[in-house]
Amino acid sequence: LAKTTQPISMDSYEGQEVNITCSHNNIATNDYITWYQQFPSQGPRFIIQGYKTKVKNEVASLFIPADRKSSTLSLPRVSLSDTAVYYCLVGFPTGGGNKLTFGTGTQLKVEL
Amino acid sequence: DAGVTQSPTHLIKTRGQHVTLRCSPISGHKSVSWYQQVLGQGPQFIFQYYEKEERGRGNFPDRFSARQFPNYSSELNVNALLLGDSALYLCASSTGPPGGLNTGELFFGEGSRLTVL
Repeated sequence: LAKTTQPISMDSYEGQEVNITCSHNNIATNDYITWYQQFPSQGPRFIIQGYKTKVKNEVASLFIPADRKSSTLSLPRVSLSDTAVYYCLVGFPTGGGNKLTFGTGTQLKVEL
Repeated sequence: DAGVTQSPTHLIKTRGQHVTLRCSPISGHKSVSWYQQVLGQGPQFIFQYYEKEERGRGNFPDRFSARQFPNYSSELNVNALLLGDSALYLCASSTGPPGGLNTGELFFGEGSRLTVL
């Protein structure tokens, strides 16, 4: 059974770089890896998406090794407002089509 | 531009009742997926629809059903409600089909908070 795992929680201070890793086996060959941010009582919000190697946008970077069995979300210089739960999302193959499976989520707490 | 809208935002039901949740995707998006998020856990995939056809189903009992309408809006129906169905139900829309070359960026609504007593 396909499974994704992330650290349950991480603590950081303002201005630091935070790296959150997601492990995923049986990822579909053609599927991308996507990371989302979720605040309490809100729907998840897109952060970044990649297929392999490194992707970067204005808020984060995503590192994916060649075997694609894991991915690392990197948040540069976090602030208090980055306190949230972060999920990785990958698609897993099923008999009738891909199943989109969120990771277990990482609660990031940023302090002064 | 309007984002993904879901209704109702909150509702309370009793065991054995039926519930219908509604979702309107972003204009131009043809794919809608549904997720159940129990407090303290990540969203669990329930269904995905593209062009009015079911394209994926998660590990949920037959009490859960969904459909997508010609205008790409969607309904999630849950019959014979159980206490364990209490959760935040999220709808997400995206432009392209599920799977394939990429899953596409998902745009989530704020969810429907269902409480079963």
